[in-house]
Amino acid sequence: KNEVEQSPQNLTAQEGEFITINCSYSVGISALHWLQQHPGGGIVSLFMLSSGKKKHGRLIATINIQEKHSSLHITASHPRDSAVYICAVRRPNNDMRFGAGTRLTVKP
Amino acid sequence: SAVISQKPSRDICQRGTSLTIQCQVDSQVTMMFWYRQQPGQSLTLIATANQGSEATYESGFVIDKFPISRPNLTFSTLTVSNMSPEDSSIYLCSVVVSHAANTEAFFGQGTRLTVV
Repeated sequence: KNEVEQSPQNLTAQEGEFITINCSYSVGISALHWLQQHPGGGIVSLFMLSSGKKKHGRLIATINIQEKHSSLHITASHPRDSAVYICAVRRPNNDMRFGAGTRLTVKP
Repeated sequence: SAVISQKPSRDICQRGTSLTIQCQVDSQVTMMFWYRQQPGQSLTLIATANQGSEATYESGFVIDKFPISRPNLTFSTLTVSNMSPEDSSIYLCSVVVSHAANTEAFFGQGTRLTVV
């Protein structure tokens, strides 16, 4: 079993829909990161969470430390949100373990 | 924060040759990490590169294949040696920066390597 599990693996949505991507982990962590990977491979860090909830524009990330679960929400999705979203946990020694990613396609 | 410049962004290489990937950070950082993402797979840690000491490699990765240099606190290189098509992957460097009560991770833009 992977240390970081993401669901769904693939997600197709219509423009304007509310999107949720889930992440569960099984190891002790210092923080959890949500990353966005574009087709060229470049990675952008969206959020770093150690508790609670964060919001940035149309993106919302939550984490429940007791349940070892995090969610990434996108409100009013847009085709430019199409990318691979990766959940990553940072271990106490600072290295990271990554989920397999969720490939999101938003259709106009 | 930290801004990471990773080069090259992509390359196509002949099998049997070597490629060196550079990672330059705009601030001094203690810990740098190198990751690999094979096609269709998740990112996997290759090694941790700490300045002034040998890199620490994860199981399945060896120094002869992936030599790493860390000459100072702002720079590191990863070399993919004697390449084969199986080495075709995205290679990514990352740093962890601690400031005040917060610790954050930052990522390079990745190097997409194709071995033919």
